[in-house]
Amino acid sequence: GQNIDQPTEMTATEGAIVQINCTYQTSGFNGLFWYQQHAGEAPTFLSYNVLDGLEEKGRFSSFLSRSKGYSYLLLKELQMKDSASYLCAVVNTNAGKSTFGDGTTLTVKP
Amino acid sequence: DTEVTQTPKHLVMGMTNKKSLKCEQHMGHRAMYWYKQKAKKPPELMFVYSYEKLSINESVPSRFSPECPNSSLLNLHLHALQPEDSALYLCASSQATSFGEQFFGPGTRLTVL
Repeated sequence: GQNIDQPTEMTATEGAIVQINCTYQTSGFNGLFWYQQHAGEAPTFLSYNVLDGLEEKGRFSSFLSRSKGYSYLLLKELQMKDSASYLCAVVNTNAGKSTFGDGTTLTVKP
Repeated sequence: DTEVTQTPKHLVMGMTNKKSLKCEQHMGHRAMYWYKQKAKKPPELMFVYSYEKLSINESVPSRFSPECPNSSLLNLHLHALQPEDSALYLCASSQATSFGEQFFGPGTRLTVL
């Protein structure tokens, strides 16, 4: 089985930086996805990490440490539209699927 | 075409009704998924089709019956549902395998009375 942990809620200020953590325990690990989901909408892909290190894509970056079972999503220059749920999803080759964490609801305040 | 479409957008049905949800993608993806999502919860995997064959059934009750008529279409047939089955039903697809980046449709909001 697998265990995926994310903080339930976070609040940050417009223009600030926020880091959303995801820790996992799984066998057959083959990568980790981050998705963004606005209320009432479908999840959309943000990033994929399979090797250790930082992947940067504009205001969003994602980091992975396979040995520590740890990832984070870093959001810079926060905007009001970044208020959403952020889901990490762990790929398990043995199970043949990805499993979502419970998600972190981020609220950006003016 | 880089989107996944789902119909209907909203569906209200009684516990004795039979209805179907439809999903379509034209990205050439060979893995397709059904998820159920309750409010303030993550998507919960129900079924995975890989190359038009059912590869994962997450112990879903038989009142939900998936079908993959071809590589672009995925259906979810509903029969004798319960009020607790009310949720957002999301379809997704990914390239080649069930491990890739998933593209989600907008979902069908289902209410069972």
